[in-house]
Amino acid sequence: DIQMTQSPPSLSASVGDRVTITCRASQNIDNYLNWYQQKPGKAPKVLIFGSSSLQSGVPPRFSGSGSGTDFTLSIISLQPEDFATYYCQQSYTTPYSFGQGTKLEIK
Amino acid sequence: QVQLQESGPGLVKPSETLSLTCTVSGGSITNYYWTWIRQPPGKGLEWIGHFHYTGTTNYDPSLMSRLSMSIDTSRSQFSLSLGSVTAADTAIYYCARGPITTTGYIFDSWGQGTLVTVSS
Repeated sequence: DIQMTQSPPSLSASVGDRVTITCRASQNIDNYLNWYQQKPGKAPKVLIFGSSSLQSGVPPRFSGSGSGTDFTLSIISLQPEDFATYYCQQSYTTPYSFGQGTKLEIK
Repeated sequence: QVQLQESGPGLVKPSETLSLTCTVSGGSITNYYWTWIRQPPGKGLEWIGHFHYTGTTNYDPSLMSRLSMSIDTSRSQFSLSLGSVTAADTAIYYCARGPITTTGYIFDSWGQGTLVTVSS
């Protein structure tokens, strides 16, 4: 099975900041990497698919990059609604697996 | 816009079977894969498996011996059955549409989730 490791586990930032979250796969997954945002008490919502493609309706302040085993999610000009938990997910092969999450908190 | 809604018992006794149904509205249940994902309280997301209306299934190997999924296209519902449950199966269970093969195999629509607690 492919293990996904995110860092950092938590992150404090201010409105207007730029943040970067990293995700590492235990083996090559090409660009089969997706990012989700989850707010408390809500279901996850997809932000990025295929490592760098923005899902329809997602603001362009979100961006993703990477290929192979190392990936990043960047958010520029943080907005109040961006404070949430973020998960990466590999869709290269089943069993699909998620990272453990990165909780983005307001500083 | 497609909407998904999970339903089923919120409390299941150890060793019994957890059964959940997901009702799909606002879109077709055919031509898509349908997935179950769970999230233990305060923890991360775990893929359980997916099902296609043609009968194709793909389950997490660690759950496969206890797991089955089915679909009722006439009711636009798909179901999860997980047997011999233990406290480790306590989680919020989500149904989701996907993987969507044209967009990175994502899960693009989710139900709100339902908490299932395994306890005597």
